[in-house]
This record gives sequence, C-alpha cells and structure tokens, in this order.
Amino acid sequence: GEDVEQSLFLSVREGDSSVINCTYTDSSSTYLYWYKQEPGAGLQLLTYIFSNMDMKQDQRLTVLLNKKDKHLSLRIADTQTGDSAIYFCAEGNSGGYQKVTFGTGTKLQVIP
Amino acid sequence: NAGVTQTPKFRILKIGQSMTLQCAQDMNHNYMYWYRQDPGMGLKLIYYSVGAGITDKGEVPNGYNVSRSTTEDFPLRLELAAPSQTSVYFCASVGGSNQPQHFGDGTRLSIL
Repeated sequence: GEDVEQSLFLSVREGDSSVINCTYTDSSSTYLYWYKQEPGAGLQLLTYIFSNMDMKQDQRLTVLLNKKDKHLSLRIADTQTGDSAIYFCAEGNSGGYQKVTFGTGTKLQVIP
Repeated sequence: NAGVTQTPKFRILKIGQSMTLQCAQDMNHNYMYWYRQDPGMGLKLIYYSVGAGITDKGEVPNGYNVSRSTTEDFPLRLELAAPSQTSVYFCASVGGSNQPQHFGDGTRLSIL
C-alpha cells in the first residue's frame, strides 16, 4: 500500500531556514500536500503541489518535488517561533474517494 | 465561515460506554472522512463517505460505525468503548476532485 515517511523531529534557530523532508511510495499521486498542526488544533493546509511540478514558492515557503526519487521537501525561510508546530506531508490521488495518505508528522522546534 | 465543526472537543468515557462524535460541514462538500491520530503515528482513516447515503470502511474501521443521512453531517459512533480507542479524532471534507481536505479542530477522547 501507499506509505509516506518523515523524520519525527527538527530543531532550528530563529531566523534560520528549516527544511522538512518527506518520501512517498505511490507513483500515481496527483497532489502532494503540506499541513501544519499547532497544539490542540486541527490540520491547516499550508501549500500543495501538482505532481507534474518541480517547485512551488509561496512567500516564505518553498516546496520542491523530485518525482523520480519520490521526495518532497518544505523549506521555511526566516523561521519564526510561530512556525513551531507539527508538519504533515501527505499524498493524494484523484481516483475513487479522493484518498489521502499522511506521513507521521515532523515536529519543528524553533529556538529563540 | 464555519467550515468543518466537530463536537464535543473533549470527552472521557468509561470502558463499554457508547457515544457519537459529531461532524458537520457547511461547504456543501460531497466527500467526508473520519481519521484518528495517535502519537507518532500520523492519521489513520477510519471511515469515509462520497455522498449522502454512501459510506465505506477505511484502514481502521473496527469498533466504529458511521452514517451519512445528509450532505452536511457525518457522525461517528463508538458502540462499546475500549481503551485502544483513546485518541484524537478528526473529521475532514473535500469539495471535489484534486481539492485539499479541510479539517475540523478534533475531538480528544479518553477511555478509562
């Protein structure tokens, strides 16, 4: 079945860039997503990328997709303490019931 | 804009009790989902629905039931609560093909 893997933890200093990595197995993925979860809250969509794109930039966020290696990354420039959260990578396809498979989440800790 | 609304936010149950977790969306979305989130495990799909009157099992359906009598509502029922069902439950909805999922804020359920 489909699988999405992420490292569990990342610590960075305020002002540095953060890079969160993700690998997935489903070659039929149509979209790849990044969600942010703050303590006690639900998942908030940050950004997503079509599987036929290599890169997407949205203000401080840059998503890179290497479809050959099935590798996705999220770069957060000038990381702030408010960016501390759990970040979930997810892959989805457009068939059937719009199935989405989530990674285990990467906890980002920003040190002031 | 309410989006996806889940109630209650917190609940403690005794083993063997039953309860219904409520989920409602006001975006006229056809697709709705129930997930459970366990620490370090990401999100696992319990049940999903592609429209009113249609439901189907996800990865971890045992011990749960759902119904979808209207487009707006997708309640999740626990009939005989067990400690293994202690988790955070998220409801999500999708409007159409290749659209990202919108999440509620979750229900934190403890079974003692």
